[in-house]
Amino acid sequence: QVQLVQSGAEVKQPGASVKVSCKASGYTFTRHGISWVRQAPGQGLEWMGWISTYNGHTNYAQKFQGRVTMTTDTSTSTAYMELRSLTPDDTAVYYCARDLGYCSSSGCQREWFDPWGQGTLVTVSS
Amino acid sequence: QSVLTQPPSASGTPGQRVTISCSGSSSNIGNHNVNWYQRLPGTAPKVLMYSDNQRPSGVPDRFSGSKSGTSASLAISGLQSDDEADYYCAAWDDSLNGWVFGGGTQLTVL
Repeated sequence: QVQLVQSGAEVKQPGASVKVSCKASGYTFTRHGISWVRQAPGQGLEWMGWISTYNGHTNYAQKFQGRVTMTTDTSTSTAYMELRSLTPDDTAVYYCARDLGYCSSSGCQREWFDPWGQGTLVTVSS
Repeated sequence: QSVLTQPPSASGTPGQRVTISCSGSSSNIGNHNVNWYQRLPGTAPKVLMYSDNQRPSGVPDRFSGSKSGTSASLAISGLQSDDEADYYCAAWDDSLNGWVFGGGTQLTVL
């Protein structure tokens, strides 16, 4: 079955970086992009950005531009999200999700996320 | 503050019908499809409704979605205790060039 499995929980100090992995299985990895979404304690879901697994193109939410890097390794069907200059406000559960949207010469079709990874808790504390 | 507005909570008794609203603007809901995600306690979100009113396979027809203008709704009929979860609406936003979510609605089955 289609599945996304994320790396384990992380504890980081303020100012550090974190890199979360998301390994896909059960489908052709390069057919769909990966979006990253986070949820801080007591808050709603927040989209961080998207990466094309086909050509590596990215679209980051403005809030995270300059601080986030999304990459993929097609040889292992794994996506990565690195967030730098962490502050306690970055404490959250980070999810990857298969993004079923696609773009063609006639434009982009926005679809939905399915499935989601199990989530990775990142705690930023001194 | 979330770009899409949802009530923070909703409740109902078993068998009742409840509706969760999601309000946006012309740059998101007014111009794009709405998706709904369900997050059961301790689990990752999963898609509950896509393209305004389409149910993925496995989602019972007790769940229905609708959209009018810049607002969308999720209705749950025949409420069951298993429906206790957080529900999130989402849509693409042209102004932000990204996905936006509602703040989530915590559904309680009394």
